Amino acid sequence: NAGVTQTPKFRVLKTGQSMTLLCAQDMNHEYMYWYRQDPGMGLRLIHYSVGEGTTAKGEVPDGYNVSRLKKQNFLLGLESAAPSQTSVYFCASSYGGPNTEAFFGQGTRLTVV
Amino acid sequence: RKEVEQDPGPFNVPEGATVAFNCTYSNSASQSFFWYRQDCRKEPKLLMSVYSSGNEDGRFTAQLNRASQYISLLIRDSKLSDSATYLCVVNTHTGGFKTIFGAGTRLFVKA
Repeated sequence: NAGVTQTPKFRVLKTGQSMTLLCAQDMNHEYMYWYRQDPGMGLRLIHYSVGEGTTAKGEVPDGYNVSRLKKQNFLLGLESAAPSQTSVYFCASSYGGPNTEAFFGQGTRLTVV
Repeated sequence: RKEVEQDPGPFNVPEGATVAFNCTYSNSASQSFFWYRQDCRKEPKLLMSVYSSGNEDGRFTAQLNRASQYISLLIRDSKLSDSATYLCVVNTHTGGFKTIFGAGTRLFVKA
């Protein structure tokens, strides 16, 4: 039972580079989320999806794009990385929305230099 | 004022102690509440939901006080393995959902 899998686990980018973080879940969940976690702050929602083919903005969407072409995958893109995007990124999924348990991936530690 | 606030701690307690954390929220329309546990450099995992009438799961008890707008987590008979950061989560549903995570309370349980 893999649950939620994120790749890569670690990445160092130079300012202006682009990258895509991949999130895959095998629990047939409808809802998927991308969060960032910074020291001293709670997890903040970047984008989320309520089903295949749908995406919506969360609290801090600027500088990020997402796609949900397949139900099991949720991709987070950084088109032009900035040092302010240095963070730990977590993907999560849930069966029935925010009132239900969210299952998180192991996180991606991204450093932008 | 932050929408969800937690005492960052750390709380340092001996094994066997009882410890309690609070989490205050500012939006009176908030509808669902959770406690998650996050070990160092790991992902958050659900510890328990918080129900209006209060609920218990083994050594853990969660309470909701809507009048004062806070939730609490009580841990009895602390174990070394309880050392972690405890995150509260508050959901609000007004024209779309909004999930707010607290920054977490760190707990260290010492032998």
